[in-house]
Amino acid sequence: EAQVTQNPRYLITVTGKKLTVTCSQNMNHEYMSWYRQDPGLGLRQIYYSMNVEVTDKGDVPEGYKVSRKEKRNFPLILESPSPNQTSLYFCASSLSGRNSPLHFGNGTRLTVT
Amino acid sequence: GESVGLHLPTLSVQEGDNSIINCAYSNSASDYFIWYKQESGKGPQFIIDIRSNMDKRQGQRVTVLLNKTVKHLSLQIAATQPGDSAVYFCAEPDTSGTYKYIFGTGTRLKVLA
Repeated sequence: EAQVTQNPRYLITVTGKKLTVTCSQNMNHEYMSWYRQDPGLGLRQIYYSMNVEVTDKGDVPEGYKVSRKEKRNFPLILESPSPNQTSLYFCASSLSGRNSPLHFGNGTRLTVT
Repeated sequence: GESVGLHLPTLSVQEGDNSIINCAYSNSASDYFIWYKQESGKGPQFIIDIRSNMDKRQGQRVTVLLNKTVKHLSLQIAATQPGDSAVYFCAEPDTSGTYKYIFGTGTRLKVLA
């Protein structure tokens, strides 16, 4: 089944403890992206990647890192999480990054205390 | 369930009736549009897309209409079912040269039994 898989689904952590949220897609998509979704603010893009080793900042990149060492994986790294990063995070992929639909994972609910 | 947005416009529809959800866009250069459905606790799910060289596109129980003159997009759901209850939002690729998607704020569809 074609899908975007994120792990974990739920994560509770403390301020400053580094964490990684994994994302993998099995559709051979070139483009991958991370979003956060907060009530009243909708989906905001954190980082995106057009291909292996090519990443770029989205609208809210501060406090996040990404890497794209393989085409299928696009992990999101929070080196020193803070409470304002408590949010619902979605990974997405698409064939080309433009003129093709994004396919989303089921989300990671992160709580930073 | 989790709320994906506070104060979203809400459309309440009787089960079996047709639903029409609207979306306005501002960029006349936009040439590709996507509709998503997001159920509580899940990631956005691709429903249907349309390119600007078309006025209408039909899927299974859904139709998207594009009016480029007034920059308006609508999603019509035929014979609305309880499983259609969700937040619906439109999206379009950014045309400013970045590889980003612009998302609408969404409409909550409530299906009344």
